[in-house]
Amino acid sequence: NAGVMQNPRHLVRRRGQEARLRCSPMKGHSHVYWYRQLPEEGLKFMVYLQKENIIDESGMPKERFSAEFPKEGPSILRIQQVVRGDSAAYFCASSPPTRPISGNTIYFGEGSWLTVV
Amino acid sequence: AQSVTQLDSHVSVSEGTPVLLRCNYSSSYSPSLFWYVQHPNKGLQLLLKYTSAATLVKGINGFEAEFKKSETSFHLTKPSAHMSDAAEYFCVVSGFTGGGNKLTFGTGTQLKVEL
Repeated sequence: NAGVMQNPRHLVRRRGQEARLRCSPMKGHSHVYWYRQLPEEGLKFMVYLQKENIIDESGMPKERFSAEFPKEGPSILRIQQVVRGDSAAYFCASSPPTRPISGNTIYFGEGSWLTVV
Repeated sequence: AQSVTQLDSHVSVSEGTPVLLRCNYSSSYSPSLFWYVQHPNKGLQLLLKYTSAATLVKGINGFEAEFKKSETSFHLTKPSAHMSDAAEYFCVVSGFTGGGNKLTFGTGTQLKVEL
């Protein structure tokens, strides 16, 4: 059973370009989360999605950032018109849909490192 | 609202000596707590988790943590450090959000292990 797969692992973009980060959850997992880790900081929650639905996007910047998790295919985190401050590691995680959910282990991918030049 | 505070940003120990990484939490309900480890430029690996069962939780690689409600603490310990333990460690509290888990991370503790 493959783990959470993220690609690309490393991405370099010039200011103003778009960045697309992909995440394939573990098999059988229908919950996907995106976290951002800025240099020298812990991870910060961005968004939580289930198939075709955004459940909680309270951590997403109001502009330029969007996320989706379509019925088929990976979850995508999209950053438009990137700026230097977007340089960070972006981690995707997934968990199974069973309840009770508070103790469900969340499995993380290895991250996508975005560098904006 | 929930939060975690990792009391030390850096901890340095000698190989073979005990490790103690401190974490205090704040939660309005009975929390689920986790410790994750991150090696340089790598993803996060779950070390252990507490979900209201036994208060002493054993994890991988010889790590364990004790949930102390009276002290709102969840400190991570290991009897004898190994060079391979050098990494960043995150204490994490879990909360509900629309049926899913919303993890709140501490700022991390960098563990250095010296010969």
